[in-house]
Amino acid sequence: DADVTQTPRNRITKTGKRIMLECSQTKGHDRMYWYRQDPGLGLRLIYYSFDVKDINKGEISDGYSVSRQAQAKFSLSLESAIPNQTALYFCATSDYRGEKLFFGSGTQLSVL
Amino acid sequence: DQQVKQNSPSLSVQEGRISILNCDYTNSMFDYFLWYKKYPAEGPTFLISISSIKDKNEDGRFTVFLNKSAKHLSLHIVPSQPGDSAVYFCAASDIFFNTDKLIFGTGTRLQVFP
Repeated sequence: DADVTQTPRNRITKTGKRIMLECSQTKGHDRMYWYRQDPGLGLRLIYYSFDVKDINKGEISDGYSVSRQAQAKFSLSLESAIPNQTALYFCATSDYRGEKLFFGSGTQLSVL
Repeated sequence: DQQVKQNSPSLSVQEGRISILNCDYTNSMFDYFLWYKKYPAEGPTFLISISSIKDKNEDGRFTVFLNKSAKHLSLHIVPSQPGDSAVYFCAASDIFFNTDKLIFGTGTRLQVFP
């Protein structure tokens, strides 16, 4: 079983729709992250959370919101999706030391 | 402004030979560096890291070299195997041994052929 699970794996939606990407982990890690990958741009940090009450904006948080429902769950929402949010989204975790990230398999999101 | 640059989008190497993947950075405050490997339809997986107090770190077939004065790091894979074919990302942090705000490069696609 995957330690970091993302759902859905693929999603196609229309401009203006609200969409939620979900992430759950069984690693027992406190820290969770959302990244997006675009061709030619590498991975960029959207939001990160150290615990349920500690949520921080990353490099590209505009147009996104997050919710840390529990230590093991961290969801990413697009309130009104737009085409340039078409990307591959990754959830990641790390332990309290934060020495390395453990990634989920990703969600490919297409906004038409 | 790309703070971490991988200028070679792709690299092709024969099995058994050395693969050298390069990464340059512009922020002199970076002091922790990591390499991740990514296969299609999977998330990136951690490969190896190095802190600024070292200039070399080895793990089996993988060695990372850090040249702070040149703001350059490289990943050497010896010998290269077909299973090493993947996209490799370097990443950097300005927090010692911490990945909370990693800056990633754009990736280099390595193909190892028989």
